[in-house]
Formats: sequence, C-alpha cells, structure tokens
Amino acid sequence: GENVEQHPSTLSVQEGDSAVIKCTYSDSASNYFPWYKQELGKRPQLIIDIRSNVGEKKDQRIAVTLNKTAKHFSLHITETQPEDSAVYFCAATLNNAGNMLTFGGGTRLMVKP
Amino acid sequence: GAVVSQHPSWVICKSGTSVKIECRSLDFQATTMFWYRQFPKQSLMLMATSNEGSKATYEQGVEKDKFLINHASLTLSTLTVTSAHPEDSSFYICSARGLHTDTQYFGPGTRLTVL
Repeated sequence: GENVEQHPSTLSVQEGDSAVIKCTYSDSASNYFPWYKQELGKRPQLIIDIRSNVGEKKDQRIAVTLNKTAKHFSLHITETQPEDSAVYFCAATLNNAGNMLTFGGGTRLMVKP
Repeated sequence: GAVVSQHPSWVICKSGTSVKIECRSLDFQATTMFWYRQFPKQSLMLMATSNEGSKATYEQGVEKDKFLINHASLTLSTLTVTSAHPEDSSFYICSARGLHTDTQYFGPGTRLTVL
C-alpha cells in the first residue's frame, strides 16, 4: 500500500519568513495530493491540493509543488503569519483505491510574532 | 458548500458501554465516508471506509465487531464503539466524499473519553 513520509515534524519560523514542508510517497500510481491544516482540537481543513498532471499550484501565500519522478511534493507558505500556526498534514491517494487518503505524520508549524 | 457535521462533539462514558457517533454530509451526497481515529499529537489513522448501502471495509488491525459502521443513506454514516474501554479514548473524525470528486471534507470530530 501507499506510504507517506512527512518532514519536518516540527517547524518554527519568524513571522514574515517562508515555511516549507516536504512529503514523499511510495506508490507511483498515486495521483491526488491534498494538504490539510488542523488547529488544535478542530477538524482538518483542506488548504490546497494538486493532481499528478500538474507540477505546481498556487493560491495566494500557499503553493504546492509536485515532482512525480522523485515522488515528492512540498507545501510552501510565504509571508507567514501567527494564524498560520497549526499542524499540517499531507496526503496521497489512488483514484482506484476508493479514494482513501494516506496521511503523512504531520508537521507542527509555529510562527513566532 | 461541502459541510460535514458530526455528533456528538464530545462524549464521556463508562467502561463497557457503547457509544454511537453520527456523521452527516449537510449539503451534498456522500457516496463514500471514512472514519479516522487520531491520538494526541499524532496523524489521522484510517479505521474504515464505507460506501452507501455496502458493508464497510476495515483497515488491518481494526476490529469490525467492536467498531460497527453503518452507512444507510447518502448523507449519514454512524460509528458505534461497542463495549468501550479506556484505550478506545481518542478523537474520532469522519470525512465524506461525493461522487466524481477526490476531495474529502472532514467533520469536526468527536472526542471520546472512556472512564
């Protein structure tokens, strides 16, 4: 089955700096890669996703890049703000696997004001 | 759009009792619902996948007789934790996916504490 590794597990940045979180996946057939943000005690919220036919996608301060050859994808947050502090999860899925998501272990991002 | 609700948001029960958690898609038809368990400071672990009108598919290590899942309609799935014990205490989160989409939308979660 799919295995998703996520790094780093914790990340501390100064407000205004950029943050990068990286994930690798094992199954080359995976074709959908969402990123979720989860604040303490709350539900994961989809913040951006990318499909395997695209190499990069951007939404304001958030961008995701995908390297299918290397089987890794990354989340980039620019101009970080304290409200970006949360746990971020990457995930990967196969279209023919009932769309079950395999999650990475999560990254706790702390943005210091 | 794409709102998923979960009830109750938290529950405390005695060891040995059963607890039912409901997951509803409020504004779309969820052909597939997923149940996850999340322990403190850990990732989401998929417990089972349920398709409307079918038996749930459980992940390895998840006891189907202990975690009963019913997906009787396109907007409702339930998870019943039978004979709950303290080690079942966790944050249970459902997600729902509509037809022809990859995106899963998560419910707010249910925090279960078994005394």
